[in-house]
Amino acid sequence: AQSVSQHNHHVILSEAASLELGCNYSYGGTVNLFWYVQYPGQHLQLLLKYFSGDPLVKGIKGFEAEFIKSKFSFNLRKPSVQWSDTAEYFCAVKEGGATNKLIFGTGTLLAVQP
Amino acid sequence: GAGVSQSPSNKVTEKGKDVELRCDPISGHTALYWYRQRLGQGLEFLIYFQGNSAPDKSGLPSDRFSAERTGESVSTLTIQRTQQEDSAVYLCASSFPYEQFFGPGTRLTVL
Repeated sequence: AQSVSQHNHHVILSEAASLELGCNYSYGGTVNLFWYVQYPGQHLQLLLKYFSGDPLVKGIKGFEAEFIKSKFSFNLRKPSVQWSDTAEYFCAVKEGGATNKLIFGTGTLLAVQP
Repeated sequence: GAGVSQSPSNKVTEKGKDVELRCDPISGHTALYWYRQRLGQGLEFLIYFQGNSAPDKSGLPSDRFSAERTGESVSTLTIQRTQQEDSAVYLCASSFPYEQFFGPGTRLTVL
């Protein structure tokens, strides 16, 4: 079965530090890839998505992610984090084809210290 | 416009009771999904509705779980004879066509 791995469960950074959160998936076929974020007390919301084309995807709030097919990875990056980036981040994969269901990773809790 | 709404926001029930959770999707969204998030775990897919097609029930953990959706509107997730391991946040999402918009979730606690 397809799976998504997020190896960093809890990350603590100081403001202005650079961020990279890892995401690896197991499916070998065509995939669509997503990063979702859940700020404290808020709904899950989409940060960015990859469907096709340029493997470097830009999202909201200065986030970007790079799809590396050979490594089955879709890591999330931000050059300089802010205290307001404190949240839980989820990577998700949708298999190509008719189904639209997403397979989520276990999430990474990011705490940014001012 | 209005987002996905879910009710109740919190539900505490006793083991063995049935519960019903409701999801109101964004108007016009043809697809609706239910997920479960247990403490310390990622979101677990439960069921997916797409228009009038037969739902994808492949994620339902047991026959105690069922869901219905009337057309492209409200959906209800029913859990019969609840067990303590059913305690989780149940999330609903709707989409058109691909981006899923999530509701606030229902936190279910089974005592």
